[in-house]
Amino acid sequence: DIQMTQSPSSVSASVGDRVTITCRASQGISSWLAWYQQKPGKAPKLLIYAASSLQSGVPSRFSGSGSGTDFTLTISSLQPEDFATYYCQQANSFPRTFGGGTKVEIK
Amino acid sequence: EVQLVESGGGLVQPGGSLRLSCAASGFTFSSYEMNWVRQAPGKGLEWVSYISSSGSTIYYADSVKGRFTISRDNAKNSLYLQMNSLRAEDTAVYYCARQRSHDAFDIWGQGTMVTVSS
Repeated sequence: DIQMTQSPSSVSASVGDRVTITCRASQGISSWLAWYQQKPGKAPKLLIYAASSLQSGVPSRFSGSGSGTDFTLTISSLQPEDFATYYCQQANSFPRTFGGGTKVEIK
Repeated sequence: EVQLVESGGGLVQPGGSLRLSCAASGFTFSSYEMNWVRQAPGKGLEWVSYISSSGSTIYYADSVKGRFTISRDNAKNSLYLQMNSLRAEDTAVYYCARQRSHDAFDIWGQGTMVTVSS
């Protein structure tokens, strides 16, 4: 199985800050990586697919990069509605696996 | 509106069974691969099972293999998860999720809570 390791597990940031979350796969997954945002009590929401493609309707302050084993989600200017938990997920093979999550908290 | 609505969750004793349903609307259900994903209270996301658009290809997480069965009825626009021999560690919110072709999960239901406890 492919293990997905996210870091950091939590980050405290202020509105307007640039936030970067990393995700590392235990083996190469090409660009088969997705990023999700989840708010408390809600279902996850797809932000980024194929490592760097922005899902329709998602603000352009979200961006993704990387390929192979190392990936990054960047929020260029944090907004109040962005405080949430973020998960990466590999779509290269089954079983699908998620990272442990990164909680973005208000500083 | 594209929508997935889960139902069938509840409280069940260890060793018991439950059948979850996911009703799809607003898109051509028969054209999409589907998945179940769960989230234990306060924990992260765990993929559970996958079914191809025709139902011919199925995968399970090792943690549920032999106990859970995924199925679909394209005529009824519905996805199912039959859960047998339930354990306390199966306690979670269960989400159905639509899969982009061989790719990410772009539409999620609101989730249904399953609690396994005596």
